[in-house]
Amino acid sequence: GAGVSQSPRYKVAKRGQDVALRCDPISGHVSLFWYQQALGQGPEFLTYFQNEAQLDKSGLPSDRFFAERPEGSVSTLKIQRTQQEDSAVYLCASSLGRRPNTGELFFGEGSRLTVL
Amino acid sequence: QQQVKQSPQSLIVQKGGIPIINCAYENTAFDYFPWYQQFPGKGPALLIAIRPDVSEKKEGRFTISFNKSAKQFSLHIMDSQPGDSATYFCAPRSTLGRLYFGRGTQLTVWP
Repeated sequence: GAGVSQSPRYKVAKRGQDVALRCDPISGHVSLFWYQQALGQGPEFLTYFQNEAQLDKSGLPSDRFFAERPEGSVSTLKIQRTQQEDSAVYLCASSLGRRPNTGELFFGEGSRLTVL
Repeated sequence: QQQVKQSPQSLIVQKGGIPIINCAYENTAFDYFPWYQQFPGKGPALLIAIRPDVSEKKEGRFTISFNKSAKQFSLHIMDSQPGDSATYFCAPRSTLGRLYFGRGTQLTVWP
């Protein structure tokens, strides 16, 4: 595709439900990042993949958050037993570079999660 | 986010004005200093970036000034237009590739 695609764009979940957010990076992009953006705040790093390898997950806020990229392209961010503080926009970004600190990072439009 | 302090939180200028947004950082391991622009409902998009061996970079109406010793960098928007109304983030990058976003500056340019 022309850009990073995320789905669903909007998700409403009841507290305690599990959710899965999908990211389709730009074709051929090696590096993939997930960020969390709370209302009125800047995005915060969650995790980083180089192809299928999750090389940095230090930003995941709890063990309820899990991310995968099994074939090195599409990635899924899963949140188990959602809580109200998980309400945020989840942004996916990808770059062509093999090293995480090279190349321009392209962001998707995000998935807005609201937990009631 | 505590590693990066961005100011002001909001800014209102008239068309043609020159808004200036400032960013101060603490981590000396940052190796790349970008500014991102974000419109409502969209993801951040890279606007302009600078490397620490350069003190100023200009691209069109946008200029970054970088002061390595003071650990500060700023964004200047020349001849601002209503279409520049957006939220701007500084987001210095670590050598591990992680971006550290400021809290954002909401810019409004009146016609």
